[in-house]
Amino acid sequence: SYELTQPPSVSVSPGQTARITCSGHALSKQYVSWYQQQSGQAPVLMIYKDTKRPSGIPDRFSGSSSGTTVTFIISAVQEEDEADYYCQSTDTSGGFEVFGGGTKLTVL
Amino acid sequence: EVQLVQSGPEVKEPGESLKISCQGFGYNFSNYWIAWVRQMPGKGLEWMGIIYPDDSDTRYSPSFQGQVSFSVDKSINAAYLQWTSLKASDTAKYYCARLATLLGKTFDYWGQGTLVTVSS
Repeated sequence: SYELTQPPSVSVSPGQTARITCSGHALSKQYVSWYQQQSGQAPVLMIYKDTKRPSGIPDRFSGSSSGTTVTFIISAVQEEDEADYYCQSTDTSGGFEVFGGGTKLTVL
Repeated sequence: EVQLVQSGPEVKEPGESLKISCQGFGYNFSNYWIAWVRQMPGKGLEWMGIIYPDDSDTRYSPSFQGQVSFSVDKSINAAYLQWTSLKASDTAKYYCARLATLLGKTFDYWGQGTLVTVSS
Protein backbone atom coordinates (compact mmCIF):
# COMPACT_ATOMS: atom_id res chain seq x y z
CA SER A 1 0.00 0.00 0.00
CA TYR A 2 1.07 3.57 -0.64
CA GLU A 3 2.81 5.40 2.20
CA LEU A 4 3.66 9.01 2.90
CA THR A 5 6.65 9.46 5.21
CA GLN A 6 6.94 12.34 7.69
CA PRO A 7 9.41 12.87 10.54
CA PRO A 8 7.71 12.04 13.86
CA SER A 9 8.81 15.28 15.46
CA VAL A 10 10.30 18.69 14.72
CA SER A 11 11.41 21.20 17.34
CA VAL A 12 11.98 24.90 16.79
CA SER A 13 12.35 28.05 18.87
CA PRO A 14 9.85 30.91 18.61
CA GLY A 15 10.59 33.21 15.69
CA GLN A 16 12.54 30.58 13.77
CA THR A 17 11.46 28.66 10.65
CA ALA A 18 10.06 25.14 10.89
CA ARG A 19 10.17 22.75 7.95
CA ILE A 20 8.22 19.49 7.84
CA THR A 21 8.82 17.09 4.97
CA CYS A 22 6.55 14.51 3.37
CA SER A 23 7.95 11.88 0.99
CA GLY A 24 6.14 9.49 -1.33
CA HIS A 25 6.94 7.98 -4.71
CA ALA A 26 3.90 9.51 -6.45
CA LEU A 27 4.24 13.03 -5.10
CA SER A 28 5.72 14.33 -8.34
CA LYS A 29 2.40 13.46 -9.99
CA GLN A 30 -0.19 14.05 -7.23
CA TYR A 31 -0.99 17.14 -5.18
CA VAL A 32 -0.35 17.29 -1.46
CA SER A 33 -2.42 18.98 1.24
CA TRP A 34 -1.33 19.84 4.77
CA TYR A 35 -3.46 19.88 7.91
CA GLN A 36 -2.89 21.26 11.39
CA GLN A 37 -4.43 19.43 14.33
CA GLN A 38 -4.34 21.15 17.70
CA SER A 39 -4.73 18.94 20.74
CA GLY A 40 -8.29 17.62 20.96
CA GLN A 41 -9.45 19.50 17.88
CA ALA A 42 -10.45 18.55 14.35
CA PRO A 43 -7.84 18.94 11.61
CA VAL A 44 -7.71 22.26 9.75
CA LEU A 45 -6.63 22.63 6.11
CA MET A 46 -3.48 24.77 5.89
CA ILE A 47 -2.15 24.14 2.35
CA TYR A 48 -3.65 22.50 -0.75
CA LYS A 49 -2.26 21.79 -4.23
CA ASP A 50 1.25 21.71 -2.71
CA THR A 51 1.54 25.49 -2.26
CA LYS A 52 -1.90 27.13 -2.13
CA ARG A 53 -3.20 28.72 1.06
CA PRO A 54 -6.94 28.72 1.90
CA SER A 55 -8.41 32.08 2.82
CA GLY A 56 -7.83 32.93 6.46
CA ILE A 57 -4.54 31.04 6.77
CA PRO A 58 -1.66 33.45 7.57
CA ASP A 59 1.03 33.85 4.91
CA ARG A 60 3.73 32.63 7.28
CA PHE A 61 2.43 29.15 6.41
CA SER A 62 3.63 27.95 3.00
CA GLY A 63 4.47 24.85 1.00
CA SER A 64 7.05 23.82 -1.56
CA SER A 65 7.53 20.81 -3.76
CA SER A 66 10.56 19.14 -5.29
CA GLY A 67 10.29 15.77 -6.98
CA THR A 68 8.92 13.18 -4.57
CA THR A 69 9.28 15.35 -1.47
CA VAL A 70 7.04 18.21 -0.41
CA THR A 71 7.77 20.56 2.46
CA PHE A 72 5.48 22.49 4.79
CA ILE A 73 7.10 25.67 6.05
CA ILE A 74 6.16 27.83 9.01
CA SER A 75 8.05 31.13 9.14
CA ALA A 76 8.39 33.09 12.39
CA VAL A 77 6.98 30.21 14.43
CA GLN A 78 4.72 31.15 17.33
CA GLU A 79 3.86 29.16 20.43
CA GLU A 80 0.32 28.70 19.14
CA ASP A 81 1.71 26.75 16.16
CA GLU A 82 2.54 23.83 18.43
CA ALA A 83 0.39 21.02 17.01
CA ASP A 84 0.42 17.86 14.93
CA TYR A 85 0.76 18.32 11.17
CA TYR A 86 -0.31 15.80 8.53
CA CYS A 87 0.31 15.60 4.82
CA GLN A 88 -2.27 13.95 2.53
CA SER A 89 -2.20 12.86 -1.08
CA THR A 90 -3.69 10.32 -3.50
CA ASP A 91 -2.58 6.80 -4.27
CA THR A 92 -2.69 6.82 -8.06
CA SER A 93 -2.96 3.06 -8.35
CA GLY A 94 -6.18 2.81 -6.39
CA GLY A 95 -7.56 6.31 -6.39
CA PHE A 96 -7.48 6.26 -2.60
CA GLU A 97 -6.47 9.05 -0.30
CA VAL A 98 -3.67 8.58 2.21
CA PHE A 99 -2.30 10.53 5.17
CA GLY A 100 1.27 10.72 6.36
CA GLY A 101 2.00 9.51 9.86
CA GLY A 102 1.98 13.02 11.28
CA THR A 103 4.66 15.30 12.70
CA LYS A 104 4.50 16.77 16.18
CA LEU A 105 5.82 20.32 16.12
CA THR A 106 7.24 21.45 19.44
CA VAL A 107 7.93 25.12 20.02
CA LEU A 108 10.75 25.27 22.54
CA GLU B 1 -20.97 29.17 5.95
CA VAL B 2 -20.02 25.57 5.23
CA GLN B 3 -20.33 23.30 8.26
CA LEU B 4 -20.20 19.57 8.91
CA VAL B 5 -21.91 18.67 12.18
CA GLN B 6 -21.42 15.20 13.62
CA SER B 7 -23.49 13.24 16.13
CA GLY B 8 -22.45 13.03 19.77
CA PRO B 9 -20.14 10.62 21.62
CA GLU B 10 -21.11 6.97 21.92
CA VAL B 11 -20.28 4.29 24.49
CA LYS B 12 -21.02 0.76 23.32
CA GLU B 13 -20.25 -2.82 24.26
CA PRO B 14 -18.43 -5.26 21.96
CA GLY B 15 -20.81 -6.90 19.50
CA GLU B 16 -23.27 -4.01 19.44
CA SER B 17 -24.19 -2.11 16.30
CA LEU B 18 -23.75 1.63 15.78
CA LYS B 19 -24.53 4.32 13.22
CA ILE B 20 -23.02 7.80 13.52
CA SER B 21 -23.93 10.79 11.39
CA CYS B 22 -22.45 13.80 9.67
CA GLN B 23 -24.78 16.56 8.49
CA GLY B 24 -23.72 19.18 5.95
CA PHE B 25 -24.86 22.80 5.93
CA GLY B 26 -24.18 25.79 3.74
CA TYR B 27 -23.36 24.06 0.45
CA ASN B 28 -24.78 21.67 -2.14
CA PHE B 29 -24.35 18.48 -0.10
CA SER B 30 -25.10 16.14 -3.01
CA ASN B 31 -22.20 17.29 -5.14
CA TYR B 32 -19.22 16.80 -2.83
CA TRP B 33 -17.70 13.49 -1.75
CA ILE B 34 -17.77 12.91 2.02
CA ALA B 35 -14.82 11.05 3.55
CA TRP B 36 -14.62 9.24 6.86
CA VAL B 37 -11.35 9.39 8.81
CA ARG B 38 -10.40 7.38 11.90
CA GLN B 39 -8.09 8.56 14.64
CA MET B 40 -7.31 5.99 17.29
CA PRO B 41 -6.21 7.26 20.74
CA GLY B 42 -2.82 8.95 20.46
CA LYS B 43 -2.44 7.97 16.79
CA GLY B 44 -2.59 9.57 13.37
CA LEU B 45 -5.29 10.06 10.77
CA GLU B 46 -6.47 7.08 8.70
CA TRP B 47 -8.60 7.45 5.58
CA MET B 48 -11.47 4.96 5.74
CA GLY B 49 -13.18 5.75 2.44
CA ILE B 50 -15.55 8.10 0.70
CA ILE B 51 -19.17 8.33 -0.46
CA TYR B 52 -20.74 10.57 -3.10
CA PRO B 53 -24.13 11.66 -1.79
CA ASP B 54 -25.76 12.21 -5.18
CA ASP B 55 -25.59 8.55 -6.24
CA SER B 56 -24.14 6.82 -3.13
CA ASP B 57 -21.04 5.76 -5.09
CA THR B 58 -18.76 4.40 -2.36
CA ARG B 59 -15.08 3.51 -2.13
CA TYR B 60 -13.55 1.85 0.91
CA SER B 61 -9.94 1.73 1.96
CA PRO B 62 -8.77 -1.92 1.80
CA SER B 63 -8.08 -1.67 5.54
CA PHE B 64 -11.75 -0.97 6.27
CA GLN B 65 -13.52 -2.91 3.49
CA GLY B 66 -16.05 -5.25 5.08
CA GLN B 67 -15.60 -3.73 8.54
CA VAL B 68 -17.83 -0.67 8.16
CA SER B 69 -20.42 0.68 5.73
CA PHE B 70 -21.29 4.18 4.52
CA SER B 71 -24.70 5.54 3.55
CA VAL B 72 -26.42 8.87 2.94
CA ASP B 73 -29.82 10.47 3.27
CA LYS B 74 -29.92 13.29 0.74
CA SER B 75 -33.25 14.57 2.07
CA ILE B 76 -31.55 15.78 5.24
CA ASN B 77 -28.00 16.24 3.88
CA ALA B 78 -26.62 13.50 6.10
CA ALA B 79 -23.91 10.89 5.71
CA TYR B 80 -23.58 7.87 7.99
CA LEU B 81 -20.88 5.49 9.17
CA GLN B 82 -22.15 2.17 10.45
CA TRP B 83 -20.87 -0.92 12.23
CA THR B 84 -22.86 -4.14 12.66
CA SER B 85 -20.66 -5.66 15.37
CA LEU B 86 -18.28 -3.35 17.23
CA LYS B 87 -14.92 -4.46 18.60
CA ALA B 88 -12.82 -2.87 21.30
CA SER B 89 -10.33 -1.94 18.57
CA ASP B 90 -12.99 0.32 17.00
CA THR B 91 -12.50 2.74 19.91
CA ALA B 92 -11.45 5.97 18.21
CA LYS B 93 -12.54 9.42 17.16
CA TYR B 94 -14.19 9.44 13.74
CA TYR B 95 -14.22 12.52 11.53
CA CYS B 96 -16.16 13.26 8.39
CA ALA B 97 -14.61 15.65 5.89
CA ARG B 98 -15.65 17.21 2.59
CA LEU B 99 -13.46 16.32 -0.37
CA ALA B 100 -12.89 19.28 -2.69
CA THR B 101 -11.78 17.72 -5.97
CA LEU B 102 -11.39 21.10 -7.69
CA LEU B 103 -8.82 22.04 -5.05
CA GLY B 104 -6.64 19.08 -5.87
CA LYS B 105 -8.50 16.47 -3.83
CA THR B 106 -8.17 18.15 -0.48
CA PHE B 107 -10.36 17.94 2.62
CA ASP B 108 -11.44 21.54 3.00
CA TYR B 109 -14.04 21.21 5.78
CA TRP B 110 -14.13 18.78 8.68
CA GLY B 111 -16.72 17.77 11.23
CA GLN B 112 -15.93 18.14 14.92
CA GLY B 113 -15.47 14.39 15.31
CA THR B 114 -17.46 11.67 17.07
CA LEU B 115 -15.77 9.75 19.88
CA VAL B 116 -16.72 6.09 19.89
CA THR B 117 -15.78 4.04 22.94
CA VAL B 118 -16.24 0.27 22.84
CA SER B 119 -15.79 -1.42 26.18
CA SER B 120 -17.35 -4.19 28.22
